[in-house]
Amino acid sequence: GAGVSQSPSNKVTEKGKDVELRCDPISGHTALYWYRQRLGQGLEFLIYFQGNSAPDKSGLPSDRFSAERTGESVSTLTIQRTQQEDSAVYLCASSSLDRGPGANVLTFGAGSRLTVL
Amino acid sequence: SQQGEEDPQALSIQEGENATMNCSYKTSINNLQWYRQNSGRGLVHLILIRSNEREKHSGRLRVTLDTSKKSSSLLITASRAADTASYFCATDENSGYALNFGKGTSLLVTP
Repeated sequence: GAGVSQSPSNKVTEKGKDVELRCDPISGHTALYWYRQRLGQGLEFLIYFQGNSAPDKSGLPSDRFSAERTGESVSTLTIQRTQQEDSAVYLCASSSLDRGPGANVLTFGAGSRLTVL
Repeated sequence: SQQGEEDPQALSIQEGENATMNCSYKTSINNLQWYRQNSGRGLVHLILIRSNEREKHSGRLRVTLDTSKKSSSLLITASRAADTASYFCATDENSGYALNFGKGTSLLVTP
């Protein structure tokens, strides 16, 4: 697609429910990233995919968080048993990495705003 | 982990004035990037400066990088109300692809 698409744009859920957030990266972009942004804060790195594999999961906050990517395309971030502190905007970004490891420019989606009541 | 730290946290200026934001980081980098985020939206890449560059220009933007001080600055000249946004610096450690973002500078440009 022309840009990075994320859905849903807004999600309100009750504490304890599971949620799935979807990211559709730019076609041909091999790298995909998930970040979390709490209100008024910077971006917190969650996970990075190179193709369908995730060489860096170091940012996932707990085992309630998981992510997968299939077909070197769509990625899903799943949060199980949501807690109020999970409320944030979840941002997805993709990159072609065509500039090599020295110049990785990210294209971001508009984000999925999650509110846990 | 957060590497870049922007300063100031918030900046308010009038249209036509220049806005300067600073970023400090901790480890060696391949490059440093600046992104902009309008309220409620995703981030947009503005400019990238490589570790062997000292200054770069793009339109009304001027970025400097001082690797000895591990710092960078973003200058927006002749600011406009449309420049109102949050600005983030992002760095990559030499061995990795993930970008580390700071907490951002919130810029308000009033007419």
